[in-house]
Amino acid sequence: QVQLVESGGGVVQPGRSLRLSCAASGFTFSNYAMHWARLAPGRGLEWVAGMLNDGSEDYYADSVKGRFTISRDNSKRTLSLQMNNLRADDTAVYYCARGMGVGGYRPFDNWGQGTLVTVSS
Amino acid sequence: DIQMTQSPSTLSASVGDRVTITCRASESISNRLAWYQQKPGKAPELVIYKASSLESGVPSRFSGSGSGTEFTLTISGLQPDDFATYYCQQYNRYWTFGQGTKVEIK
Repeated sequence: QVQLVESGGGVVQPGRSLRLSCAASGFTFSNYAMHWARLAPGRGLEWVAGMLNDGSEDYYADSVKGRFTISRDNSKRTLSLQMNNLRADDTAVYYCARGMGVGGYRPFDNWGQGTLVTVSS
Repeated sequence: DIQMTQSPSTLSASVGDRVTITCRASESISNRLAWYQQKPGKAPELVIYKASSLESGVPSRFSGSGSGTEFTLTISGLQPDDFATYYCQQYNRYWTFGQGTKVEIK
């Protein structure tokens, strides 16, 4: 079955960096667009970033553009999120999610359990 | 950016009730709308996609309707397992979630 396992979360000071990873199994990773989304305390879900199956295009929410970078390694079935210049309002549980089917704009049909990022001095 | 507005923010209901959640898009998104269920401490789960298509394994008491800018999620005969927060999401241009609707026990 589809499994997505996030790692790399933790406590980090404002202005510092953190890299999240998502290990995928149970499906042909290179066939699917992949995304990061987050759930901040007391707030709703927010899409953060996405990348097409072949890595040819990436997309970012305005709130993270210029600070976060999404990448993938299809040979290792891994999705990553490099987060730079972190702010307190980036504190959230970060989820890795799979885009449904082939193609760009699709809903997310499988999610990981999430990894907590806390930005605090 | 496309904004998604859900109502109500909180809904109190009893087991067996029929409940409806509304989602409005700031511009037309055709039928490119999904609904997710999320329980505390758990990952979101896809319930409905393409406005009205039921995701595999989701009970038939869940249904979705709408197109353009107005959409609804209906749960016919609320079950104890359905108390959760529900989010709509547009995927017509990038991806945007609504602010969520918490369905709580009355």
